[in-house]
Amino acid sequence: GESVGLHLPTLSVQEGDNSIINCAYSNSASDYFIWYKQESGKGPQFIIDIRSNMDKRQGQRVTVLLNKTVKHLSLQIAATQPGDSAVYFCAENRGSQGNLIFGKGTKLSVKP
Amino acid sequence: NAGVMQNPRHLVRRRGQEARLRCSPMKGHSHVYWYRQLPEEGLKFMVYLQKENIIDESGMPKERFSAEFPKEGPSILRIQQVVRGDSAAYFCASSPAGVNYGYTFGSGTRLTVV
Repeated sequence: GESVGLHLPTLSVQEGDNSIINCAYSNSASDYFIWYKQESGKGPQFIIDIRSNMDKRQGQRVTVLLNKTVKHLSLQIAATQPGDSAVYFCAENRGSQGNLIFGKGTKLSVKP
Repeated sequence: NAGVMQNPRHLVRRRGQEARLRCSPMKGHSHVYWYRQLPEEGLKFMVYLQKENIIDESGMPKERFSAEFPKEGPSILRIQQVVRGDSAAYFCASSPAGVNYGYTFGSGTRLTVV
């Protein structure tokens, strides 16, 4: 069925290392993707987004890569910090639909 | 500029009672979305509303759940005759013009049914 999913449920990295969180989607009609960070007890916080006419987009310490050929999305966090510890979700939007489809999430733990 | 405001933050209800969750969108936002999140899972879309209109309720359970976004006041998600399976975090998001523009989430209401 149509779904957005993540390859790894947990990821543990050393402070200062780079982190890569992956996401797969199955619907080629999806044209907008967002990465969210959710800390315990809080709502999802926007990190970065990308539209399907782009392959890469960079923000502050974060980069999102979109590979439409294999329907894969990744979030790269440079120089990971303890404050980056959270659950990360990818979400997709399909055409003009008003809702986001969320993946299950990856928990990122940063070791000092 | 206050963000999306949800209240209460925590709500405890006994089985069979009613739960009312409120969401005040960001200033200037006329689109509201409700999501439900079970522990250790991603958010699941429930309903999308604009002022006085339900645009998409494809994620809403057919019974006991309803939502409104009146001309004045916050959006309300109402759950009647709650059951233990309704225990979850309920998040509201708002945007000024659809999902692709400034989609912002509130801090959620954590509903516990005992």
